[in-house]
Amino acid sequence: NAGVTQTPKFQVLKTGQSMTLQCAQDMNHNSMYWYRQDPGMGLRLIYYSASEGTTDKGEVPNGYNVSRLNKREFSLRLESAAPSQTSVYFCASSSDSNQPQHFGDGTRLSIL
Amino acid sequence: LAKTTQPISMDSYEGQEVNITCSHNNIATNDYITWYQQFPSQGPRFIIQGYKTKVTNEVASLFIPADRKSSTLSLPRVSLSDTAVYYCLVGEGTFSGGYNKLIFGAGTRLAVHP
Repeated sequence: NAGVTQTPKFQVLKTGQSMTLQCAQDMNHNSMYWYRQDPGMGLRLIYYSASEGTTDKGEVPNGYNVSRLNKREFSLRLESAAPSQTSVYFCASSSDSNQPQHFGDGTRLSIL
Repeated sequence: LAKTTQPISMDSYEGQEVNITCSHNNIATNDYITWYQQFPSQGPRFIIQGYKTKVTNEVASLFIPADRKSSTLSLPRVSLSDTAVYYCLVGEGTFSGGYNKLIFGAGTRLAVHP
């Protein structure tokens, strides 16, 4: 069972470059989420998608955009990467908003 | 905003029961309490969820007092493989309250020793 799949697993960017992080889930979940986790910290919500066709800002949306491409896929885009965006990015999904979330293994992103 | 407070770290030994308490003084009527476990280089993994009283599954129990201002995750007979960070998450379970219902704290680092 794949669950939540994130690509790539690692990436190094230069300041100002753009990049899209991909996330796909095969559990037919309605809701999907993007978090970032900085060293020694908890997760902070960047954007979420309550259902296909909707997206909303989370706690730390600045510098990011998202696309809910279809029910399975939810991508996160950095238009102009900054060193402050160096972090581990986690995608998650849940069957609906009051159900537990299932997480991917993360994308480790370094911006020089 | 249902902020949570947990101990930063805890130590235990194999075979002992571990109880991790989370304080959430301003929990709202519709908020659920959910606990996640995270190993290094992995995403968090759901452990247990509850609303009131006691919930038990195959890996843990969750105790919630009547006032719901705190909750305690109980791990019976821990092993070395239970060494991880444990997060308490309090949220409404709907998006009507906005993103502030989906905030993870810093978590509790549990170290289990031989």
